[in-house]
Amino acid sequence: GENVEQHPSTLSVQEGDSAVIKCTYSDSASNYFPWYKQELGKRPQLIIDIRSNVGEKKDQRIAVTLNKTAKHFSLHITETQPEDSAVYFCAAMEGGYQKVTFGIGTKLQVIP
Amino acid sequence: DVKVTQSSRYLVKRTGEKVFLECVQDMDHENMFWYRQDPGLGLRLIYFSYDVKMKEKGDIPEGYSVSREKKERFSLILESASTNQTSMYLCASSKPANANYGYTFGSGTRLTVV
Repeated sequence: GENVEQHPSTLSVQEGDSAVIKCTYSDSASNYFPWYKQELGKRPQLIIDIRSNVGEKKDQRIAVTLNKTAKHFSLHITETQPEDSAVYFCAAMEGGYQKVTFGIGTKLQVIP
Repeated sequence: DVKVTQSSRYLVKRTGEKVFLECVQDMDHENMFWYRQDPGLGLRLIYFSYDVKMKEKGDIPEGYSVSREKKERFSLILESASTNQTSMYLCASSKPANANYGYTFGSGTRLTVV
């Protein structure tokens, strides 16, 4: 089955700096890579996703890149703000029934 | 506008009890999932269902079963609760397999087994 590794497990940045979270996956058949943000005490929410036929996708301050050859994908947050503080999960989805395997999460702290 | 509803936010049960966790979605999604979330382990898939009365084992199905009698409802059953099943349980739903859409999660049920 799929295995997703995520790092770092914790990340502290100053407000206004950029944050990068990296993930690797093992199954070359995975074709969809969502990212979720989970604020303290709340449910995970989808913030951005990328499909295997795309190398990069951007939505305002958030961008995701995918390197299929190396099986790497990354989340980039620019101009970080205190409200970006949360746990971020990367995930990889195999085809078929949309079974998603998650990374262990990265706790991002943005220091004002 | 809550779209995936889990019946309990907090639950305390005794060892050996049979426990039912309920999840209802109002988005007419075909796929439904149960995950457990533990610190340092992320979200691990217990069971999923892609259609009524259909179920598939996830990565950690031992000690759990599921029921999906109606499209909108997916129940997780702990046959005989044990302390190592103390965890946060998250239900999620998604559109059909050929659509590659993200999940919508419920708010979670924090289960404590004593």
